[in-house]
Amino acid sequence: AQTVTQSQPEMSVQEAETVTLSCTYDTSESDYYLFWYKQPPSRQMILVIRQEAYKQQNATENRFSVNFQKAAKSFSLKISDSQLGDAAMYFCAYRSGGGANSKLTFGKGITLSVRP
Amino acid sequence: NAGVTQTPKFQVLKTGQSMTLQCAQDMNHEYMSWYRQDPGMGLRLIHYSVGAGITDQGEVPNGYNVSRSTTEDFPLRLLSAAPSQTSVYFCASRGLDTQYFGPGTRLTVL
Repeated sequence: AQTVTQSQPEMSVQEAETVTLSCTYDTSESDYYLFWYKQPPSRQMILVIRQEAYKQQNATENRFSVNFQKAAKSFSLKISDSQLGDAAMYFCAYRSGGGANSKLTFGKGITLSVRP
Repeated sequence: NAGVTQTPKFQVLKTGQSMTLQCAQDMNHEYMSWYRQDPGMGLRLIHYSVGAGITDQGEVPNGYNVSRSTTEDFPLRLLSAAPSQTSVYFCASRGLDTQYFGPGTRLTVL
């Protein structure tokens, strides 16, 4: 079974600085998707960024980018120019590419605080 | 476009009571699922469905039932609530690649 590991339970960053959230995963598959979700205090799960395993280019969405290292099974999220609104819990997630019933597996999450 | 809706937002039950958490989506997605979120555990899959009439168990299915009579609706039933089922519950539906979540239900079982 696939596993997703977020080893840091908490991180803190100064406003306007850059922070990197780590995620590793374990799989024997070659076709899969990786995601980062943000959960602010409102509890809503918000998709931040996604990466297809077959794409070598790292995904980018405005201030959010990933460092996808397929051989190392690492998928870290970099947040540039951190803002107070970035304070939230962030979840890394994995989904295999094949089959209508492929499931989304989550890491345990990391709580990010942003210092003004 | 409402996306994924869940009701209620909050619920308090007594041990042994039953209830249904409602979930609906208007995106015509075939795949829908239920998760529970507990502190330090991330989100864990309870049940999922790949289309009307088809459901299957996830990682933590015990104590929960589901059915899928229409594409739009995927209710989650707690048959006899237990304190261990105190949690936040999320319903989700999936399009081609991306999963969309409802706002969640905070359930407390006393």
